[in-house]
Amino acid sequence: GENVEQHPSTLSVQEGDSAVIKCTYSDSASNYFPWYKQELGKRPQLIIDIRSNVGEKKDQRIAVTLNKTAKHFSLHITETQPEDSAVYFCAAAGNTPLVFGKGTRLSVIA
Amino acid sequence: DAGITQSPRHKVTETGTPVTLRCHQTENHRYMYWYRQDPGHGLRLIHYSYGVKDTDKGEVSDGYSVSRSKTEDFLLTLESATSSQTSVYFCAISALAGGENEQFFGPGTRLTVL
Repeated sequence: GENVEQHPSTLSVQEGDSAVIKCTYSDSASNYFPWYKQELGKRPQLIIDIRSNVGEKKDQRIAVTLNKTAKHFSLHITETQPEDSAVYFCAAAGNTPLVFGKGTRLSVIA
Repeated sequence: DAGITQSPRHKVTETGTPVTLRCHQTENHRYMYWYRQDPGHGLRLIHYSYGVKDTDKGEVSDGYSVSRSKTEDFLLTLESATSSQTSVYFCAISALAGGENEQFFGPGTRLTVL
């Protein structure tokens, strides 16, 4: 089955700097790659997703890139703000339910 | 937030007792999922349903059973709770299968087994 690895597990950045979180997946049949943000005590919330027919997708300060050949995808957050502090999860799916990475705790230091 | 509710939101129980968690949706989505979230493990799939009375196992299904008698309700049962089942349980829904559609989560249930 699918296996998703996520790095780093923790990340601290200064406010205004960029943050990058990377994930790799194992199943070449996977074609959908969402990213979720989870604030403390809250549910995971979908923030951006990408499908395998697209290499990059951007939404304001957030972007996701996908390299199908290497089986990895990344989340990029620019101009980080304190409210970006949260745990971020990547996931991958093809014909089966989503498989999640173990999460990255992002801390934005003001 | 998508129309997903979970009940109860918090529960403390004792080892060996049965526990049932309920997920209710108002979106009429076909797919429903139960995950557990533990520190260092992320979100792990327990069971999922792809229609009324149609369910399948996930990665960590041992000790859990599910039932779906109506489109809007998906029940997770711990037949005899153990301390290792102390966790936060999230229900999720999607209109289509894994790679075809967005998945949305409910607010979660914090379960403590003493």
